[in-house]
Amino acid sequence: DAGVTQSPTHLIKTRGQQVTLRCSPKSGHDTVSWYQQALGQGPQFIFQYYEEEERQRGNFPDRFSGHQFPNYSSELNVNALLLGDSALYLCASSLAGVSEAFFGQGTRLTVV
Amino acid sequence: AQSVTQPDIHITVSEGASLELRCNYSYGATPYLFWYVQSPGQGLQLLLKYFSGDTLVQGIKGFEAEFKRSQSSFNLRKPSVHWSDAAEYFCAVGLAAGNKLTFGGGTRVLVKP
Repeated sequence: DAGVTQSPTHLIKTRGQQVTLRCSPKSGHDTVSWYQQALGQGPQFIFQYYEEEERQRGNFPDRFSGHQFPNYSSELNVNALLLGDSALYLCASSLAGVSEAFFGQGTRLTVV
Repeated sequence: AQSVTQPDIHITVSEGASLELRCNYSYGATPYLFWYVQSPGQGLQLLLKYFSGDTLVQGIKGFEAEFKRSQSSFNLRKPSVHWSDAAEYFCAVGLAAGNKLTFGGGTRVLVKP
């Protein structure tokens, strides 16, 4: 079992650019959640996808959007990048209403 | 809105000594409670969880946690720490299994030889 996999591991973007991060859930899981973890802080919930729809959303601007595909994998898109978007982005998967969240290793985004 | 507080930002403990990390939460109902561990630059690994039942739960790596409803606490303990336990520890709460999680700010544990 590969667990939750995220790509890329690291990337560097310039202010104003757009970025797409990808996540493949743990086998058997149908729900994907995204979190932002700034340096020295706990993860903050961005949104959750289930059945290809956004089910819950945290306090993040519309610049943050996502998508879930029929195979349950997911993308996180961030438009008009700001320096403050620099963080570790974590993907977590779960089986709806049944299992706890399992996290991937994260994508380290640096905005310069 | 729910919140999680981890009062200790840093804890330094000697190898072989006991460890206790504090977690307090504010929630409208009995939440689902979790402890995760994060090594530098890595993702989160689940140590243990509490959904219901016995308030003392056992986890991986020799960790245990006790849920105290009257104190809104879910403290993590380990009787004897190993150098490999040096990491950051996060307490988290959710409404249900797989639901969105609210995390505390984390406690960084340093282990002295």
